Amino acid sequence: SQQGEEDPQALSIQEGENATMNCSYKTSINNLQWYRQNSGRGLVHLILIRSNEREKHSGRLRVTLDTSKKSSSLLITASRAADTASYFCATDAYGNNRLAFGKGNQVVVIP
Amino acid sequence: DTAVSQTPKYLVTQMGNDKSIKCEQNLGHDTMYWYKQDSKKFLKIMFSYNNKELIINETVPNRFSPKSPDKAHLNLHINSLELGDSAVYFCASSQNPGTSYEQYFGPGTRLTVT
Repeated sequence: SQQGEEDPQALSIQEGENATMNCSYKTSINNLQWYRQNSGRGLVHLILIRSNEREKHSGRLRVTLDTSKKSSSLLITASRAADTASYFCATDAYGNNRLAFGKGNQVVVIP
Repeated sequence: DTAVSQTPKYLVTQMGNDKSIKCEQNLGHDTMYWYKQDSKKFLKIMFSYNNKELIINETVPNRFSPKSPDKAHLNLHINSLELGDSAVYFCASSQNPGTSYEQYFGPGTRLTVT
């Protein structure tokens, strides 16, 4: 199964700045999802983008998908200390919810 | 109300023991999953059940046996625990697996094998 690979893996920013993280994958997908994991907690779904979509927004989150480059990016605008977490992308190759997760990006937002 | 709950939250045990982790979801979802997250935070699916039927069974040692008494519960039993089984185990649930729905994760069970 394919895996998303986020880049960079650790990001430290000041509150109010934007945070961008990328995810690349190897094979075709049905959709790609982003999840957040706070320290010691379970994952929380953020946004799902389908293979026929190029961009999606949810609040301060913006996700792009480039299927020709097999990559996705997650942008968090106007970051807050509460955004400090690990962010994972997960690919679903066949639309059957069999997710392959990437390694995760650690984002630290400094107040 | 907790959507997906797991017990216990922490589990410390010795090699060779048998242990179980329980998971329950009150979301009315049809599908439940078990994931393993290693020390480097890499998350890998282990099993998936849909309406008590096994639909995903990744390459996992047969010491791991999932059991789904009903569609709201998916338990994980591990026999003859090994040091390499130390990890955080997450239960998750979602709607119909034939379409793509977000997965709801439990808080995790940190298993430490000594």
